[in-house]
Amino acid sequence: QVQLVESGGGVVQPGRSLRLSCAASGFTFSGYGMHWVRQAPGRGLECVADISFHGNDIYYTDSVKGRFTISRDNSKNTLYLQMDSLRAEDTAVYYCVREDGGSPLDYWGQGTLVTVSS
Amino acid sequence: DIQMTQSPSSLSASVGDRVTITCRASQSIRSLLNWYQQKPGKAPKLLIYAVSNLRSDVPARFSGSGSGTDFTLTISSLQPEDFGTYYCQQSYSRPFTFGPGTKVDIK
Repeated sequence: QVQLVESGGGVVQPGRSLRLSCAASGFTFSGYGMHWVRQAPGRGLECVADISFHGNDIYYTDSVKGRFTISRDNSKNTLYLQMDSLRAEDTAVYYCVREDGGSPLDYWGQGTLVTVSS
Repeated sequence: DIQMTQSPSSLSASVGDRVTITCRASQSIRSLLNWYQQKPGKAPKLLIYAVSNLRSDVPARFSGSGSGTDFTLTISSLQPEDFGTYYCQQSYSRPFTFGPGTKVDIK
C-alpha cells in the first residue's frame, strides 16, 4: 500500500535551517509529482512547494520563495524540503503528499511538526 | 495565485440532515476542483476529485457539483463519522490553493 513517511521536523531557532525528508513506498515514486503542504496550528492548508515526477518543474508559494528548496531522489524514493532562514510563521505540520495524474492530492503522510522559536 | 473561499465557515447539523458546503474560486478553474476531509490530529483525506468523482472508498452520501468558479459539496444524510473540517482545493494552476475550510459538527 502507498506509504509516505516524513521525518526531520523539530524545534529550531529563527534564521536557522532544517531539512525534511519523505520516504515513499508502495508505488512507483518516479512516476508521480509530489507536494509539501503545511498547516499552521489551528489554521488551514497551504501548498508550500511541488515538484514534477522528473524533478524539472518546481513551484513555490510566494512566502517561501528564495528560502525553501524542494528536491527529490528517485533512486532513493525520497522527497526533500530544505528550509533556510526559518521564521516563526513557518511553524506548522508539514505533510508530504502525492499528486495523482489527474492532479488531486491522493495520498498524504502523517506529517512532521516544525516549530520555529527562540 | 487563485483564491478559494468557502461558506459557511462552520455548521452544526443533526444525523440524517442534508448538508451543503459552497466553494468559490477567484477565477475559472474549469472542473479542477477537489474536496478533502480532515479529522482532528489527522492528515486530510481526498474525498472527491474533478468536481464530482468520488474516491472509491468514499460513501455515496457524498456528492459534488459545479463548474467554472462555483462548486458544492453535499452530504445527503449526515452520519456521526462525518464530523471534521472540509476543504476545497483547486488544481488548475500552481501553486495549488485550498479554501479556508468548513468545520462540521454533529448536534
